[in-house]
Amino acid sequence: GAGVSQSPSNKVTEKGKDVELRCDPISGHTALYWYRQSLGQGLEFLIYFQGNSAPDKSGLPSDRFSAERTGGSVSTLTIQRTQQEDSAVYLCASSLAGTGSVGELFFGEGSRLTVL
Amino acid sequence: GEDVEQSLFLSVREGDSSVINCTYTDSSSTYLYWYKQEPGAGLQLLTYIFSNMDMKQDQRLTVLLNKKDKHLSLRIADTQTGDSAIYFCAERHSSASKIIFGSGTRLSIRP
Repeated sequence: GAGVSQSPSNKVTEKGKDVELRCDPISGHTALYWYRQSLGQGLEFLIYFQGNSAPDKSGLPSDRFSAERTGGSVSTLTIQRTQQEDSAVYLCASSLAGTGSVGELFFGEGSRLTVL
Repeated sequence: GEDVEQSLFLSVREGDSSVINCTYTDSSSTYLYWYKQEPGAGLQLLTYIFSNMDMKQDQRLTVLLNKKDKHLSLRIADTQTGDSAIYFCAERHSSASKIIFGSGTRLSIRP
């Protein structure tokens, strides 16, 4: 089966515009994560979806960031009124979660966002 | 706190052992992981250790866990040029919780 798919792979936008990034996880994976990787930086946790539970949004850096996951599958990360500091690679990962699961994350190729 | 910390760079000579260190703050972590990110590629799980273990060995890889000091290390024996990558330490608190990553250690190999 296919791996985690993210789109667009590259996005260049102007400061102040809104952007949407999409993640299509591996079928059957109940957990979905969004991370941000800035140049030379580590992986910054943004948000975590697990099944039907309320998402853990504790990593979202401001209220300009939001994410949803429809039908327990595809997720969209939305950044409103983009700023230059939002420029980064946004990584999505999915996993089989739950008791007894190692919780291995399978990552997509990422969406590189550049805000001019 | 949820910090996972690593040194940013490590340089070793080809054929020597590499030791990458990580410290974490949450004593309730259940799984600890090492992920590898090769140039131009995505992250992949390299190995993991469950919190009730002290050591795990997998071919050239040895993971050591010191729960008292909240310290995790990854040793790569006989380091090769193909081991050049960024290595990320990560922790998970429970089976239903998020996974937090460190800043990554860039391993470079010199001849």
